[in-house]
Amino acid sequence: NAGVTQTPKFRILKIGQSMTLQCTQDMNHNYMYWYRQDPGMGLKLIYYSVGAGITDKGEVPNGYNVSRSTTEDFPLRLELAAPSQTSVYFCASSYLSGGPYEQYFGPGTRLTVT
Amino acid sequence: AQTVTQSQPEMSVQEAETVTLSCTYDTSESDYYLFWYKQPPSRQMILVIRQEAYKQQNATENRFSVNFQKAAKSFSLKISDSQLGDAAMYFCAYRGDNQAGTALIFGKGTTLSVSS
Repeated sequence: NAGVTQTPKFRILKIGQSMTLQCTQDMNHNYMYWYRQDPGMGLKLIYYSVGAGITDKGEVPNGYNVSRSTTEDFPLRLELAAPSQTSVYFCASSYLSGGPYEQYFGPGTRLTVT
Repeated sequence: AQTVTQSQPEMSVQEAETVTLSCTYDTSESDYYLFWYKQPPSRQMILVIRQEAYKQQNATENRFSVNFQKAAKSFSLKISDSQLGDAAMYFCAYRGDNQAGTALIFGKGTTLSVSS
């Protein structure tokens, strides 16, 4: 299993541009998450999904959109990029939402908006 | 709302020594889970150890162990026989167990350096 994969690994955007961060998992997990990690901070939840076709906002959803058309894929869309969105983005998945079930993380995407 | 606090931004330890990283949390829930994640320079988030709140026994994983004090809402990580490969950022994380899509709530992290 490849686990959770993310593309791209690095990206530089100009203010106002848009892009999609890709996330794929091959573990047949229902639950998927997008987090962002700002310098010197822990990860904060942007959006999550409990299954194909079902998504919901997390703590910091403004400026982002998500979709979940398949179990495997959970792309994160940035519209009108702003410097405040400079961060490292992590996608994660888990078999179940609660309990001791581990969340598996992708390698992250470092995004810079200038 | 639940919060997680790591009061030590940086810690250092010598090889083969023992170090303890501190974590406190705030919650009104009775059922929850606590985790320690390691983030090396590669950025990959790696689960180190987990603790179920209903278990009184402290979790251990090889050289890693926790001191879980539920009443004090404290969850510290002890690393024994430290190795150079332990150098990383360590995050304490909380997850409740009473709603769908429950995500992890992270502390700000502790950077651990290991010297030879």
